[in-house]
Amino acid sequence: GAGVSQSPSNKVTEKGKDVELRCDPISGHTALYWYRQSLGQGLEFLIYFQGNSAPDKSGLPSDRFSAERTGGSVSTLTIQRTQQEDSAVYLCASSLRLAGTHLQFFGPGTRLTVL
Amino acid sequence: SQQGEEDPQALSIQEGENATMNCSYKTSINNLQWYRQNSGRGLVHLILIRSNEREKHSGRLRVTLDTSKKSSSLLITASRAADTASYFCATTQGGSEKLVFGKGTKLTVNP
Repeated sequence: GAGVSQSPSNKVTEKGKDVELRCDPISGHTALYWYRQSLGQGLEFLIYFQGNSAPDKSGLPSDRFSAERTGGSVSTLTIQRTQQEDSAVYLCASSLRLAGTHLQFFGPGTRLTVL
Repeated sequence: SQQGEEDPQALSIQEGENATMNCSYKTSINNLQWYRQNSGRGLVHLILIRSNEREKHSGRLRVTLDTSKKSSSLLITASRAADTASYFCATTQGGSEKLVFGKGTKLTVNP
């Protein structure tokens, strides 16, 4: 497809379980970002990849959160031992430097519900 | 953490009217972007304005930026029911690539 895709679109899990969220960026985009959106906190940055490395992971809320990117393409966000406060929509974006600015294109998100 | 603050938090207007949303931020920025979000899912990029620009137009959208006041406004002219959505401003700062989002304005355009 032409846009950023994310899977699953919805995920319901029990407290304490691990979850993996996947992001497929736009082909050729070298930068990939994860954000999350929750009612209480709004839209928050989590982590950013340039190629396969993560220069900025300052937004990861705890060591239960990790992310990787392989082959400069697909990224996986993993949340271990999920808690109810992890319930949110997790958004992925990718970008290609354009005229010195980074225009980020967002996927549809994964809605995570932790019971 | 959230830096931007949009106001109003919610705006309800009639079709054909203009809608103005404001955004304030706290630190120096590289650029400011406006996004639209329907039904709490994916964000659609609307317009980007660089820190050295003061005004930008795109179709029915007009964005202004006042770096001295650290504020921006988004004007949607001749609104349509399809413009109903949440609108967010987002900034990039310094050498960081991440977007810092405001809390958003929920716009309802009544037919």
